Amino acid sequence: QQKVQQSPESLIVPEGGMASLNCTFSDRNSQYFWWYRQHSGEGPKALMSIFSNGDKKEGRFTAHLNKASLYVSLHIKDSQPSDSALYFCAYTGNYKYVFGAGTRLKVIA
Amino acid sequence: GGIITQTPKFLIGQEGQKLTLKCQQNFNHDTMYWYRQDSGKGLRLIYYSITENDLQKGDLSEGYDASREKKSSFSLTVTSAQKNEMAVFLCASTPDWGGAGASYEQYFGPGTRLTVL
Repeated sequence: QQKVQQSPESLIVPEGGMASLNCTFSDRNSQYFWWYRQHSGEGPKALMSIFSNGDKKEGRFTAHLNKASLYVSLHIKDSQPSDSALYFCAYTGNYKYVFGAGTRLKVIA
Repeated sequence: GGIITQTPKFLIGQEGQKLTLKCQQNFNHDTMYWYRQDSGKGLRLIYYSITENDLQKGDLSEGYDASREKKSSFSLTVTSAQKNEMAVFLCASTPDWGGAGASYEQYFGPGTRLTVL
């Protein structure tokens, strides 16, 4: 059983549009949640973290966390072609990081 | 700032061969990780090292060995390469392991791309 389910697997949005990415977790011990982004040919880089229930905004990126529902999401406002990448959600718990399979986002001009 | 370097960038091996991947970081971080990335399966933890001289198995350690030679370097060995295997191996580091009370951003290297003929 996958510990982290990401949806959708892939997503195409027009430039300037809103991209919404979702994650559900099965581990109720999950405490800390992260979003990472990986451009082709590179290693993943952290986008943002969210540790408390509610919304957290950083520029065009807004993360939402609901620990009771084991759910976290990422919304990208005013999407740019440079946002095209593979996005991972991850949580840390019991001293390990657990990553989802990723959502591949393509932003078309 | 700092950087993680991984060598080689591309690695082509033969079935049954023993292959070694190397990782160096200059963040002065205590904790280092090795992940395997397959298409559609996210990142799976192979080995991690909380501090120099420590070694911990991850979920995917079978078929691999690891070595933390010094604080800045962490190596991974594929003990017997499997035919037609293709994957990206990613090295990462954090200031320390965080424990139950903290969570740190992981810094990743660019990866080593393995192909086994």
